[in-house]
Parts: sequence; C-alpha cells; structure tokens
Amino acid sequence: GDSVTQMEGPVTLSEEAFLTINCTYTATGYPSLFWYVQYPGEGLQLLLKATKADDKGSNKGFEATYRKETTSFHLEKGSVQVSDSAVYFCALSGRGGSARQLTFGSGTQLTVLP
Amino acid sequence: DAMVIQNPRYQVTQFGKPVTLSCSQTLNHNVMYWYQQKSSQAPKLLFHYYDKDFNNEADTPDNFQSRRPNTSFCFLDIRSPGLGDAAMYLCATSRGSSSSTDTQYFGPGTRLTVL
Repeated sequence: GDSVTQMEGPVTLSEEAFLTINCTYTATGYPSLFWYVQYPGEGLQLLLKATKADDKGSNKGFEATYRKETTSFHLEKGSVQVSDSAVYFCALSGRGGSARQLTFGSGTQLTVLP
Repeated sequence: DAMVIQNPRYQVTQFGKPVTLSCSQTLNHNVMYWYQQKSSQAPKLLFHYYDKDFNNEADTPDNFQSRRPNTSFCFLDIRSPGLGDAAMYLCATSRGSSSSTDTQYFGPGTRLTVL
C-alpha cells in the first residue's frame, strides 16, 4: 500500500538558517503530494502541493519539488523564522474512487530559536 | 472567506457521557472527513461522507458515529467516551473530484478531554 516516510524530528534551528525536511514516498501510479503545517493547538493548514512529476510547489518561502525518479518531496526554506515553529506533515493522495485518502508521514517538529 | 469551522474548539466530557462535535463548511465541497489525532501522531481517518454516502474506515470503533444532515454540516458523535478517546478531532473537506489532485482542507480542530 501507499506510505510516506518523513525525516525524524525534532529539528531545532536558529533563525535565518536553511531548512530541509526530507520526505520519500511509496505509491502506485502518480499520486499528488502535499505538505501540511500544524501550529500548536491548531488544525492542519495546507502549505503547498504538487500534482505531477517535476512540479514545484511553493508558499510563504517554502518549496518542494516532486521527484519521481527518487520518489521524494523534500521541503526547503532558505531562511527560517521563529514563526515557522510548527509540526510539518508530508502526505500523498492516490488514485481511484470519488474521495481521496490522504496517507500522512509521521510529522516533523520544527523549533526555530531567535 | 470560505472555510471549515469546528465547534467547540475545546470540549470536556465525562467518561461514558455522550458527546457531539460539530463541523461546518462554506466551501460547498462534496466530501467531509473526520480524523482523530493523538499527541505527537499523524491524523488517523475515522470516516468520510461523499455527499450523503457514508464510508467508515475498517478499524474505526463502533463507539464513533457520524451524521451529515446537509452539505454544510457534519457531526461526530462519540457514544460512550473512554479515556483513550481524548484527542484532537479534525474535520476536513474536499471537492471529491476523481483526480488525485483533490485537496483536503482542514478545520482548526476540537480538543476533547475525557475526565
């Protein structure tokens, strides 16, 4: 079945550092890939998505590129801020059916220190 | 702004006392989902409605039920909450297109405490 493997956390960075959170997936066919962010005590917010190979999703300075050859969708940001502290979930959505099941990774806790 | 709204944000109930959580949406989406998220874990899908069609996940306990009286509203009923049901409950919606690009949008969640 489909699965998502995320970089183990927690990750602690200083403000303005470069961020990478690794995400790899296993799926049949051509899934769509998502990054969701969850701030403390809140629900999940869609951060970015990519729906086909080589697509780059971007939002709020975050980027991720859908790499089919390496089955990866790593999240990057060039300069993190304290306000980026949150849990980040990589997820995929597969084919078939009229409603989509999201398969989530385990989440990566990011803490950014001033 | 179109959105997914959950009420209440925090709910406290007693062991065994039925509780209902509410979700509404202004996105006019066909699909509504309920997830359970325990501390430091990924959300776990409980069930979803595609329009009026109910789809239960195989491992969702019978203690959890859902109702969708109209397109905009969906309720999660926990008939006899146990201590293990304390969690964040997330509602999400999607258009329900046949493409894998269908995107789920989440509400802010309801934090359930069971005493």
